[in-house]
Amino acid sequence: QSALTQPASVSGSPGQSITISCTGTSSDVGGYNFVSWYQQHPGKAPKVMIYDVTLRPSGLSNRFSGSKSGNTASLTISGLQAEDEADYYCSSYSRSRSLVFGGGTKLTVL
Amino acid sequence: EVQLVESGGGLVKPGGSLRLSCAASGFTFSGYSVNWVRQAPGRGLEWVSSISTTSDYIYYADSVKGRFTISRDNAKSSLFLQMNSLRDEDTAVYYCARDGNWNYAKYYFDYWGQGTLVTVSS
Repeated sequence: QSALTQPASVSGSPGQSITISCTGTSSDVGGYNFVSWYQQHPGKAPKVMIYDVTLRPSGLSNRFSGSKSGNTASLTISGLQAEDEADYYCSSYSRSRSLVFGGGTKLTVL
Repeated sequence: EVQLVESGGGLVKPGGSLRLSCAASGFTFSGYSVNWVRQAPGRGLEWVSSISTTSDYIYYADSVKGRFTISRDNAKSSLFLQMNSLRDEDTAVYYCARDGNWNYAKYYFDYWGQGTLVTVSS
């Protein structure tokens, strides 16, 4: 059982926006601004898309954005493109376990 | 160019041991915390262990505590994971990952290796 809860799957059509949620507790997501999001294509290593809740690595498309409210963080992808189809994982610093990941969300671009 | 290259994976019997290595290049290895993250076949990511720049701070997931030991050699820009008392559930691709912040950890990983597969099976 994963420490952070994500929906198993989300889908959207090209050009649309989708949001993936990541729910934890006050000991992880809600207690620290160390939430990150990773994109993983099949057979590839994960790639960081968002860190420190809202920050994007240099050069990353501004179609990706992050936010947090209470114990739930969110990743929003706007203007969906076919290449966005992948698995997405959230992670958070956790006072009790150092770092925890969500179970992952499979994004399908219809 | 930042590179992380894992090695040492393979097939091992339950109860056996294995030592993973991660060779880093293209950056000042001693300035970053580094981590091991694993992914069982068809499953999600699981953080395994982290080590600070000077090895002063070391943390493990509960699932590996007491069985795995992380270490680093800054002179050789290398990270290691000694895995003992291996179990079936340790079967996974093991990734080496660099913390994205200089000097002190901010718990996000900006560079990952390609992974090395560890299979625990009799």
